[in-house]
Amino acid sequence: GIQVEQSPPDLILQEGANSTLRCNFSDSVNNLQWFHQNPWGQLINLFYIPSGTKQNGRLSATTVATERYSLLYISSSQTTDSGVYFCAVGSSNTGKLIFGQGTTLQVKP
Amino acid sequence: NAGVTQTPKFQVLKTGQSMTLQCAQDMNHNSMYWYRQDPGMGLRLIYYSASEGTTDKGEVPNGYNVSRLNKREFSLRLESAAPSQTSVYFCATNFLTRSTNEKLFFGSGTQLSVL
Repeated sequence: GIQVEQSPPDLILQEGANSTLRCNFSDSVNNLQWFHQNPWGQLINLFYIPSGTKQNGRLSATTVATERYSLLYISSSQTTDSGVYFCAVGSSNTGKLIFGQGTTLQVKP
Repeated sequence: NAGVTQTPKFQVLKTGQSMTLQCAQDMNHNSMYWYRQDPGMGLRLIYYSASEGTTDKGEVPNGYNVSRLNKREFSLRLESAAPSQTSVYFCATNFLTRSTNEKLFFGSGTQLSVL
């Protein structure tokens, strides 16, 4: 099956700093999504981005499907950005997603 | 508009007991999923239902059964709970067709402990 690797595993930032999270996957995909899990455990969908670039406020994501990676950019980070960021990929039309292990982000005031 | 609702939020079971986790959505989505999340790990798919009347196994189906009761409801049953099933369980939904695969939305989770 598809392997998903996220890096870095942990990241500590000062408020206001920028960061880039990476997701590598081992096979072709037609479904790629980024999620944020806040410290209370809630999972929020950030992007559905199987290819191309999207932006939503301070967050943006780029997927280069031919090179099998996706990047999540966080600009001007805030303490509320803390939590775990997951990349999830799928290669069929079933909707099944394989999750990476996540990147744990801590933003300090 | 509640989105995806899971019950209960917390549950403690003894080994061998059974229970059913409930999930209901009011987003008019056709596909529903059950995931489990273990400490320090990503989510793993247990079962999913691409549409009403269909269910299929995910990555870790052993020890679980599911029922897609109607378009809105998808339940997960543990027939004989084991300590290895201690986890946080998430229900998720999206709209899925042969040509469209949309964002996945999650419920708030059920924290299950099996003693």
